[in-house]
Amino acid sequence: DAGVIQSPRHEVTEMGQEVTLRCKPISGHNSLFWYRQTMMRGLELLIYFNNNVPIDDSGMPEDRFSAKMPNASFSTLKIQPSEPRDSAVYFCASSLRDSQETQYFGPGTRLLVL
Amino acid sequence: GESVGLHLPTLSVQEGDNSIINCAYSNSASDYFIWYKQESGKGPQFIIDIRSNMDKRQGQRVTVLLNKTVKHLSLQIAATQPGDSAVYFCAANFGNEKLTFGTGTRLTIIP
Repeated sequence: DAGVIQSPRHEVTEMGQEVTLRCKPISGHNSLFWYRQTMMRGLELLIYFNNNVPIDDSGMPEDRFSAKMPNASFSTLKIQPSEPRDSAVYFCASSLRDSQETQYFGPGTRLLVL
Repeated sequence: GESVGLHLPTLSVQEGDNSIINCAYSNSASDYFIWYKQESGKGPQFIIDIRSNMDKRQGQRVTVLLNKTVKHLSLQIAATQPGDSAVYFCAANFGNEKLTFGTGTRLTIIP
């Protein structure tokens, strides 16, 4: 299996621009998670889906952030408008809900907002 | 609230020696614990996990110990190699699918 796939791997944008991060979970996995990692705050869960349905979005910082999962093999995390404080590495992870709750992470998207 | 914390932010170990990374958690209802390894520029990589009905689990060169009495978790790496240099995170599942991550310990293997 190719593992969790994320794109782009790097993104540099200017403040105010829209940013869209993409994720393809491991085939057959039912749960998908979006995390943000910074030096100051470590690894934070933003939102997670189960069977394409958002279950908990309490970690989403504010209305500028939104996430969708239109089908079992694709999810997006959108930031509009982006701000410099959004600069971080964003990870997507997936897991099999019916097995142990091991989450498998993608390589991440490194976002820099200027 | 729920929290997971590591005892040391950094740890240096001589190549070939064993290393122990410690972690504490706050919620006695936690029933699942995971250790991840994160190398520079990569995502966290699953190493080993353990459920609350166990106190020890072994993998290849790694052992996880769980002490529920004091809410403490440790990761032992035997015969460390240069490739073991990374940041190690413990994470706990507090009864649902959400994982709470610790702040990480940076392990450096000295040649």
